[in-house]
Amino acid sequence: SSELTQDPAVSVALGQTVRITCQGDSLRSYYASWYQQKPGQAPVLVIYGKNYRPSGIPDRFSVFRSGNTASLTITGAQAEDEADYYCNSRDSSGDHVFGTGTKVTVL
Amino acid sequence: QVQLQQWGAGLLKPSETLSLTCAVYGGSFSDYYWSWIRQPPGKGLEWIGEINHSGSTNYNPSLKSRVTISVDTSKKQFSLKLSSVTAADTAVFYCARGLTTVDTAMVTHHYFDNWGQGTLVTVSS
Repeated sequence: SSELTQDPAVSVALGQTVRITCQGDSLRSYYASWYQQKPGQAPVLVIYGKNYRPSGIPDRFSVFRSGNTASLTITGAQAEDEADYYCNSRDSSGDHVFGTGTKVTVL
Repeated sequence: QVQLQQWGAGLLKPSETLSLTCAVYGGSFSDYYWSWIRQPPGKGLEWIGEINHSGSTNYNPSLKSRVTISVDTSKKQFSLKLSSVTAADTAVFYCARGLTTVDTAMVTHHYFDNWGQGTLVTVSS
C-alpha cells in the first residue's frame, strides 16, 4: 500500500504561522484530511478536502494541495494548537493510509 | 450528536484473538462506513479496516489475513477481531465513523468525523 510522509516535528512561536506537509503518491488523486491529537486523547478532524472545517474548528487552519503534497497551515498559532497532526487519504486500492505524524510545539 | 462507545478485553496473551465492539449512538448508521484504527504506544496511526452497513469490508493488506470486521445493524454496532496477536499488536484501538462527500465541483472527499474514546489492548505473556 502507499505511504504518506510527514516531518516528525516542527515548532512555531506563539501567534506565528506554521506549515505541516504531507507527501505521497495517493495525494495526486485524493485530497487529504487532517487530524489533531493531544496526549491521551482520540484524534479530532480539523480540516479536509478543499478547506472544509468541521463546526467548532477555527479558521486559522487551512490546507493547500499541489502534486503529491498536501499541507496544513496554522496561521496565528495558539498554545492549544500544540499537538500531533496526522494526514490521511485513500489510495488507489481504496485503502486508507495515515501520514507518519508531525509533532507541533508552540513556543 | 453522534457518539461512538467502544469496549473489549484490554489484556491478551500471545496467540489469542483480540475482540472489540463499537456502538453508535445518534445519527444514521447506513450512510457511513465504520473503521478501526490503531496506535501503538508512542507511534502513529494505522488504519485496520472498514465495513459499511451492508457488511462490505475493506482491510489493510498488511493485516488482512488476521482481521475480521463485522456489523450488527439492528444494534448499530460493529466489531473487530484480530487473531494470533503478538506483542507487536499492543496498541490503543479506535473505532471511527468515516464518510465520503462530494462537493459542488464534484470532487470526492473521504474523512473520519467521529472517533471512539480508544481502548488500550496489551499483549503480554
